[in-house]
Amino acid sequence: QSALTQPASVSGSPGQSITISCTGTNSDVGGYKYVSWYQQHPRKAPKLMIYEVNNRPSGVPDRFSGSKSGNTASLTISGLQAEDEADYYCYSYTSSNTVIFGGGTKMTVL
Amino acid sequence: QVQLQESGPGLVKPSQTLSLTCTVSGGSINSGDYYWSWIRQPPGKGLEWIGYIYYSGSMSYSPSLKSRVTISVDTSKNQFSLKLKSVTAADTAVYYCARVVAVAASHVDYWGQGILVTVSS
Repeated sequence: QSALTQPASVSGSPGQSITISCTGTNSDVGGYKYVSWYQQHPRKAPKLMIYEVNNRPSGVPDRFSGSKSGNTASLTISGLQAEDEADYYCYSYTSSNTVIFGGGTKMTVL
Repeated sequence: QVQLQESGPGLVKPSQTLSLTCTVSGGSINSGDYYWSWIRQPPGKGLEWIGYIYYSGSMSYSPSLKSRVTISVDTSKNQFSLKLKSVTAADTAVYYCARVVAVAASHVDYWGQGILVTVSS
């Protein structure tokens, strides 16, 4: 199974909004609500930011939001802050009872 | 607060078997609400799912690694383990153990800190 497709990089200025896309197929992203997003700072373990398309765990700022349309899920960060600079990965359950990650997106705050 | 801690050799020779253990604290591995998973990340690259196991022993593996991977669980020690055989340099990575919410493997809610395993002679 190939990785879900994410842009290699995105950037934005402090206070702006950015969106990271995650494209799969009907057998993963498009077929289930089990899409999640993870933030990873250098040399750190990933951190859950969004689960089941658009749910935020306790403690995650409401600047982070998720959505899905067809086979593409999206993560939006509003009001960008310097601390948001990190790598972001999407994740989806699949029809084969497996899991697949996106290739990752490096998000830079200008 | 659930914590996961990976342990095992940091250096493995090519063609040998990589063996790692994850010790879970602050929660029971017997919980029917979670899968227990291994995920890896080669240096400078993205995350790759390896597989997961349920406390009952049922499991699911990545199709690309299935022929070489075994994940097992020891409920008496609150641990689960990874064995990856016939390793090559391409298996060099940070290996994470993780807890997955078992509603269709919905999401990872807890991660270990990761352990770097280098495959080299």
